[in-house]
Amino acid sequence: QVQLVQSGAEVKKPGASVKVSCQTSGYTFTTYDITWVRQVSGHGLEWMGRINPSSHDTQYAQKFQGRVTMTRSTAISTAYMELSSLTFEDTAVYYCARGDRALDFWGQGTLVLVSS
Amino acid sequence: DIQMTQSPSSLSASVGDRVTMTCRASRNIGRYLNWYQQKSGKAPKLLIYGASSLQGGVPSRFSGGGSGTDFTLTISSLQLEDFATYYCQQSYSSAFTFGPGTTVDIE
Repeated sequence: QVQLVQSGAEVKKPGASVKVSCQTSGYTFTTYDITWVRQVSGHGLEWMGRINPSSHDTQYAQKFQGRVTMTRSTAISTAYMELSSLTFEDTAVYYCARGDRALDFWGQGTLVLVSS
Repeated sequence: DIQMTQSPSSLSASVGDRVTMTCRASRNIGRYLNWYQQKSGKAPKLLIYGASSLQGGVPSRFSGGGSGTDFTLTISSLQLEDFATYYCQQSYSSAFTFGPGTTVDIE
């Protein structure tokens, strides 16, 4: 069965970076994009960008351009999302999801707490 | 970027009710519209893709319609497990965007 398992919660100081992983199984990793979405507590879903694991092509939301980097390791079927220059407003749950147009399988979410 | 709006932002309904919510895109997105359900503390779940195609395993009481800029999600007979927040998402432009959501709660 398809599974996306994300790394655990992180606590970071303002200005730091965070790297969240998304380990996939149950399908061929290179045949579907991985999309990253975040959700601030009590708010809606925010599309951050996506990566094509086969070509390594990426597409980022303009809001995160210059601060986000999405990568992958095909050897271990894992995608990564790194966000730098964190501020308190980056405190959120970060999700990875399979797909580009429609997101059919999701990870469990990773809480990133930015606190001084 | 294409902006998505949803209405109403919340609604109260009873088990068995027929519920319809709408999603509007700031410009024509054809049928590149998906619907997700999210329950508190859980990841979203894909319900409808391509405006009206039911994702596998999703009950047939859910249906989607529309094209261009205006879309609907209908639950034909609301069940207890359907109380949740529903988001639309456009997948037409390269930067996909979500609507702000419609929360369905118990009347």
